[in-house]
Amino acid sequence: LAKTTQPISMDSYEGQEVNITCSHNNIATNDYITWYQQFPSQGPRFIIQGYKTKVTNEVASLFIPADRKSSTLSLPRVSLSDTAVYYCLVGGGNAGNMLTFGGGTRLMVKP
Amino acid sequence: DTAVSQTPKYLVTQMGNDKSIKCEQNLGHDTMYWYKQDSKKFLKIMFSYNNKELIINETVPNRFSPKSPDKAHLNLHINSLELGDSAVYFCASSQGRGGWEQYFGPGTRLTVT
Repeated sequence: LAKTTQPISMDSYEGQEVNITCSHNNIATNDYITWYQQFPSQGPRFIIQGYKTKVTNEVASLFIPADRKSSTLSLPRVSLSDTAVYYCLVGGGNAGNMLTFGGGTRLMVKP
Repeated sequence: DTAVSQTPKYLVTQMGNDKSIKCEQNLGHDTMYWYKQDSKKFLKIMFSYNNKELIINETVPNRFSPKSPDKAHLNLHINSLELGDSAVYFCASSQGRGGWEQYFGPGTRLTVT
């Protein structure tokens, strides 16, 4: 079972790039790595997903090293509206595989 | 139109009572989930259903019983509520089982007094 850990909190300023790393040493061969964003009083919202190397979409990039024991969510040029809690989720490689969320990283973007 | 909806949004009840939370998705997804988010914001999966079949049943007290009447609905029934059951419960759905993108509902805040 993948144990998934992330920093509890991070601070940044508007316009900066933010990198949030998730550690998942026991990731299974077929597991995916998915990142979600959560605002207060809302459900988590999908940001990006990857299996290996690098994935980029219109809002973020996801870097996964060859050993897949960690992953880094990169948010380019953050704004105040990016203040939220970010969760990594590991699992789902095989149907019925456990899905394990990290504890979440509270990102505070300051003006 | 709301993709994943839950009712009620807030639920306050006393210890020992039995309550249900309903979830519906209109996305045509095959897989649905229940998660519990505690006061420290940890998210933990409880159950997952695929086409009405239970595929993930994490270690939760057997006072919690999911029920899927059809693939668009996954309800959560809780018997003999305890103080420790107070949390926010999220329903989610995905196109398939496994690592698909999940769409979450707005959550149900359960308070047991």
